[in-house]
Amino acid sequence: GAVVSQHPSWVICKSGTSVKIECRSLDFQATTMFWYRQFPKQSLMLMATSNEGSKATYEQGVEKDKFLINHASLTLSTLTVTSAHPEDSSFYICSAARTDIYGYTFGSGTRLTVV
Amino acid sequence: AQSVTQLGSHVSVSEGALVLLRCNYSSSVPPYLFWYVQYPNQGLQLLLKYTSAATLVKGINGFEAEFKKSETSFHLTKPSAHMSDAAEYFCAVSDRVNAGKSTFGDGTTLTVKP
Repeated sequence: GAVVSQHPSWVICKSGTSVKIECRSLDFQATTMFWYRQFPKQSLMLMATSNEGSKATYEQGVEKDKFLINHASLTLSTLTVTSAHPEDSSFYICSAARTDIYGYTFGSGTRLTVV
Repeated sequence: AQSVTQLGSHVSVSEGALVLLRCNYSSSVPPYLFWYVQYPNQGLQLLLKYTSAATLVKGINGFEAEFKKSETSFHLTKPSAHMSDAAEYFCAVSDRVNAGKSTFGDGTTLTVKP
């Protein structure tokens, strides 16, 4: 139980285009999901908290107009990197919080490369 | 505010030797503490978590960690390293209200020598 699926696992896009990453909780409902970013050989940095049916909460320094988050259902949150640039290349990881247990599950991550 | 310090960005042990990965935390409220493992180009897998029950927590793959409030530590140990344990390990802290919103340490790369 508590499986989180993230898609795609890797994506290459051209500079200036937009990329959408999906995070799905497969066997539970997640009212809250989290989006992290990880640079090579570095730790995870929380970007935003995605709340079902309401606006996401962004961490300081994260551009909400660049990283669009939508959490339209209890099992799906999406992160769209708009007008991507090479500096947006990174590993993006989502996690979903179950409401009935203390803890949360991470997706397998998405490697984004902007060329 | 919460923070995590992982002492030692790289740890190298021989196969069969004790694994000790250090983690110290700072939290103004009672914390939840986690250890995760990450293999290259993969997401994080939870090894174990402390959520105010037993201070000695046993996790998967033979790992365990002990919560020591007096030392603000949550070190990860395994009695005998396997080659498959080579990976990146992250310690994380959250508070009990926002259990899903964690602050991560910088990670420790574990190398296991044959």
